[in-house]
Amino acid sequence: QQPVQSPQAVILREGEDAVINCSSSKALYSVHWYRQKHGEAPVFLMILLKGGEQKGHEKISASFNEKKQQSSLYLTASQLSYSGTYFCGTEVTGKLIFGQGTTLQVKP
Amino acid sequence: KAGVTQTPRYLIKTRGQQVTLSCSPISGHRSVSWYQQTPGQGLQFLFEYFSETQRNKGNFPGRFSGRQFSNSRSEMNVSTLELGDSALYLCASSVNSYEQYFGPGTRLTVT
Repeated sequence: QQPVQSPQAVILREGEDAVINCSSSKALYSVHWYRQKHGEAPVFLMILLKGGEQKGHEKISASFNEKKQQSSLYLTASQLSYSGTYFCGTEVTGKLIFGQGTTLQVKP
Repeated sequence: KAGVTQTPRYLIKTRGQQVTLSCSPISGHRSVSWYQQTPGQGLQFLFEYFSETQRNKGNFPGRFSGRQFSNSRSEMNVSTLELGDSALYLCASSVNSYEQYFGPGTRLTVT
């Protein structure tokens, strides 16, 4: 039931782009994205409720494909502040189940 | 608006003991969810309370329990602690279970 995220880790240089994928074996009705910086609590980024809908947060956007049961998070022109672990979450019978996380490190 | 607060922030307990963790949600938030975070298992859902009622429960043994008070503050209790219960316990509050605001967590170490 846990969504699968890929890649597990990615290292970028400032200004580079990255894509984080989240897929589920179950039908998806919504996908939630959170970012957790080292030693801090997870912070809500966005939620996608409709198929194919894209949402944005600063230079971070996401897409949601219901048919493929997957969502992708796009980080454009990465900044040092984007470093952290990104979690996608999917709702299963009212519970928010998180993927294992993708660790993103942005280097100067 | 004040954020979600959790007390205590750090706790060291011995196997077999029990522990109670507290969470004060953001004012006006009636939903409180609890999560266990470990390096190996990631963020795992424990339970959710809404208006003093448990609305959802994760796949944890009965040693893990919780409750919510009329002011939306929530507590979780773990009885008969095991070494594997060592983790960061996070609570999150929300208006509608969608956008969740996490507290700083309680770091529990069981020795």
